[in-house]
Amino acid sequence: DAKTTQPPSMDCAEGRAANLPCNHSTISGNEYVYWYRQIHSQGPQYIIHGLKNNETNEMASLIITEDRKSSTLILPHATLRDTAVYYCIVRVLGTNAGKSTFGDGTTLTVKP
Amino acid sequence: ETGVTQSPTHLIKTRGQQVTLRCSSQSGHNTVSWYQQALGQGPQFIFQYYREEENGRGNFPPRFSGLQFPNYSSELNVNALELDDSALYLCASSQPGGVTEAFFGQGTRLTVV
Repeated sequence: DAKTTQPPSMDCAEGRAANLPCNHSTISGNEYVYWYRQIHSQGPQYIIHGLKNNETNEMASLIITEDRKSSTLILPHATLRDTAVYYCIVRVLGTNAGKSTFGDGTTLTVKP
Repeated sequence: ETGVTQSPTHLIKTRGQQVTLRCSSQSGHNTVSWYQQALGQGPQFIFQYYREEENGRGNFPPRFSGLQFPNYSSELNVNALELDDSALYLCASSQPGGVTEAFFGQGTRLTVV
């Protein structure tokens, strides 16, 4: 699996959009970008994934650059409950979802 | 909440002892993975079980071992505990092939003193 690079921490004001970047410059053509988050003292929770097109679900939006070397997870209206560690992972779709390689992630703090 | 349950939630052991952690997978999921998460770090893959057989292993020594039972629940055993084994141990259940995502339990916090 390709390696990812994320900033260690970010702050965001409540109600504003949180934009979390991820660099994955060595991503392969068949690797997808996945995002998880881990709220304090809980297990990681799947958020969203994508290959090359932008994706949106009820939790977030994922923007992947045209060269696929980086992506941004967007939480459109951050709330205090979005305070968590966010992990960006790349993995071949179809490989076992249980075998993921996590980095150290980005700690997002949403402030009132 | 996911349907993955882990027990116990917290545990304190002495260096050199052995420990067994347990995980019940989400209904319909036949694959269980175990992760170790040290404080301030991301989860590290220990191993995975599929159909009661080990199906991949991370960079962990043999004193980390596991079992999977016919009902797909699983155990993680750690022998000869070391202080560095203190961590949050996470269990994740999934279907093989990765079409659906893995669902994680709340974890077991192990402290070795």
